[in-house]
Amino acid sequence: ETGVTQSPTHLIKTRGQQVTLRCSSQSGHNTVSWYQQALGQGPQFIFQYYREEENGRGNFPPRFSGLQFPNYSSELNVNALELDDSALYLCASSPRLDNEQFFGPGTRLTVL
Amino acid sequence: AQTVTQSQPEMSVQEAETVTLSCTYDTSESDYYLFWYKQPPSRQMILVIRQEAYKQQNATENRFSVNFQKAAKSFSLKISDSQLGDAAMYFCAYRPIQGAQKLVFGQGTRLTINP
Repeated sequence: ETGVTQSPTHLIKTRGQQVTLRCSSQSGHNTVSWYQQALGQGPQFIFQYYREEENGRGNFPPRFSGLQFPNYSSELNVNALELDDSALYLCASSPRLDNEQFFGPGTRLTVL
Repeated sequence: AQTVTQSQPEMSVQEAETVTLSCTYDTSESDYYLFWYKQPPSRQMILVIRQEAYKQQNATENRFSVNFQKAAKSFSLKISDSQLGDAAMYFCAYRPIQGAQKLVFGQGTRLTINP
């Protein structure tokens, strides 16, 4: 059974650019959550998708947007990148809304 | 809003000894879940142990156990017989039962194991 995978592993962008991060959920999982982890901090919830619909959002501006596809993989899009967007972005999937979340290895985004 | 606080930024322990990591949380809910996650340098978050708030019995997973004090809103993690592979960042997390199933994390405790 393949676990949660994320791509790319690392990414460097400049301020003002746009970025798309990808997450493949574990087989059989229909729920995906995204978290932002700044250096030295705990992860912060960005949003969650359940069966292709957004099911809750954290305190992040609208330039953070997402999608979930019919195969339950997901994308996180960030527009107009700011220096403070530099962080590790974690994706987690679960088989149901109320089940344990399984994390991917993350994407390290650096904004210069 | 729910918050989770880990007051120990760093802890260290001798190999084979026991260490306890502290966590407090704030919520107005009566039912919820609490977790301890481990994040090694590889960055992948790994679930260590889980506690349902409605269960009075403290959860145990091999060398890992918790002390759950619901009234005090305290949830500490005890690691017995510490091993070198236990070295990592440890995060305490809260998850509500109602609404979005989001995890609320603390700031983390860096655990060092001394050989």
